[in-house]
Amino acid sequence: SQTIHQWPATLVQPVGSPLSLECTVEGTSNPNLYWYRQAAGRGLQLLFYSVGIGQISSEVPQNLSASRPQDRQFILSSKKLLLSDSGFYLCAWRRQGALQPQHFGDGTRLSIL
Amino acid sequence: DAKTTQPTSMDCAEGRAANLPCNHSTISGNEYVYWYRQIHSQGPQYIIHGLKNNETNEMASLIITEDRKSSTLILPHATLRDTAVYYCIVRVPRNSGNTPLVFGKGTRLSVIA
Repeated sequence: SQTIHQWPATLVQPVGSPLSLECTVEGTSNPNLYWYRQAAGRGLQLLFYSVGIGQISSEVPQNLSASRPQDRQFILSSKKLLLSDSGFYLCAWRRQGALQPQHFGDGTRLSIL
Repeated sequence: DAKTTQPTSMDCAEGRAANLPCNHSTISGNEYVYWYRQIHSQGPQYIIHGLKNNETNEMASLIITEDRKSSTLILPHATLRDTAVYYCIVRVPRNSGNTPLVFGKGTRLSVIA
């Protein structure tokens, strides 16, 4: 069966510090991968998606970047965090195929101080 | 993607069936109905999806009306662990990577012992 791992579960970082969140998927190959942010009490905002190694598409201009160094690894990064980067970050994957649903990790709750 | 309307909240007694309605009166012929849920502080979890026929899996059943303008998600024997926000999403399946999920406000289901 397929599993998705995100870490860390929670993170507290000072303003201006760097960020690296990692997501890995097991049990499947060539998945589409996604990074979302969910602000408190609000819906999902798609940040990045990837259809293959090294292929990253950004949905919103921001202080964050993403990379996919391996087929089942997706990394969310920032060189200097802003207060507005606080939120609940979710990684998701789905198989290729129009009907395939997205499956989410347990998320990382990021607090910027 | 078609707009959906769900009740803000519902209660259900533990062990009883939970029936969560969703109205999607503007649904088009090629749009599917997807259901996700989000337990507090966790990532969204895919439940089920369908086009026009009723669907059942190990988690739930999805009943779609003949005119497809509404649907009901049924959890046959609700447990306390089913307490979550349930999201009904209507969308055209796309094979492209850019297929963000858009969650509305959903229904907050509280399962009561």
